[in-house]
Amino acid sequence: AQSVTQLDSQVPVFEEAPVELRCNYSSSVSVYLFWYVQYPNQGLQLLLKYLSGSTLVESINGFEAEFNKSQTSFHLRKPSVHISDTAEYFCAVSGVSGNTPLVFGKGTRLSVIA
Amino acid sequence: EPEVTQTPSHQVTQMGQEVILRCVPISNHLYFYWYRQILGQKVEFLVSFYNNEISEKSEIFDDQFSVERPDGSNFTLKIRSTKLEDSAMYFCASKRGPGGTQYFGPGTRLLVL
Repeated sequence: AQSVTQLDSQVPVFEEAPVELRCNYSSSVSVYLFWYVQYPNQGLQLLLKYLSGSTLVESINGFEAEFNKSQTSFHLRKPSVHISDTAEYFCAVSGVSGNTPLVFGKGTRLSVIA
Repeated sequence: EPEVTQTPSHQVTQMGQEVILRCVPISNHLYFYWYRQILGQKVEFLVSFYNNEISEKSEIFDDQFSVERPDGSNFTLKIRSTKLEDSAMYFCASKRGPGGTQYFGPGTRLLVL
């Protein structure tokens, strides 16, 4: 079984400042890792994912996350945030085999302040 | 770009009534899921479905819940007798193959009064 911990429930940050949203996971098997974003009153959108290969993955809107196996982490970072990044961010993990479901963290609400 | 769709977007029902939530997964996807998110809480897995049968279900998915793929395109979640605590956002998701990425629909917000 897997579990995901997002220690920060809310992160306020000023526009154009850097941000890091933390995610730690636990699993007894190999995992895939994901960040999903939920904008107000909308569904879940995939932001980025780690399946294999390079441990640093990037999204098209400037976010990046690095898979650190030794620290069982997959922190999300952005060097300069915009007002439009205000949303709830969910870290999720799944096993690599077959049909395993996603296990989500509790989410981090990122609020970007002008 | 193909996407998962869900209907209705909102549903209000009385306690004890049956509801059916509908999803149209991405057309070449083979694995289907339902998740729910109670207001202010995290997204929780309900059930996965592959090859016309349930693959896995959580302890939330009790006898009041059922899923069906009645034709080649729809994937439904039925709640037989709704309870107040079933009020939540219900998300459908699908993926193409084992180990792939799950893509989520926009959700159905269910309110049980």
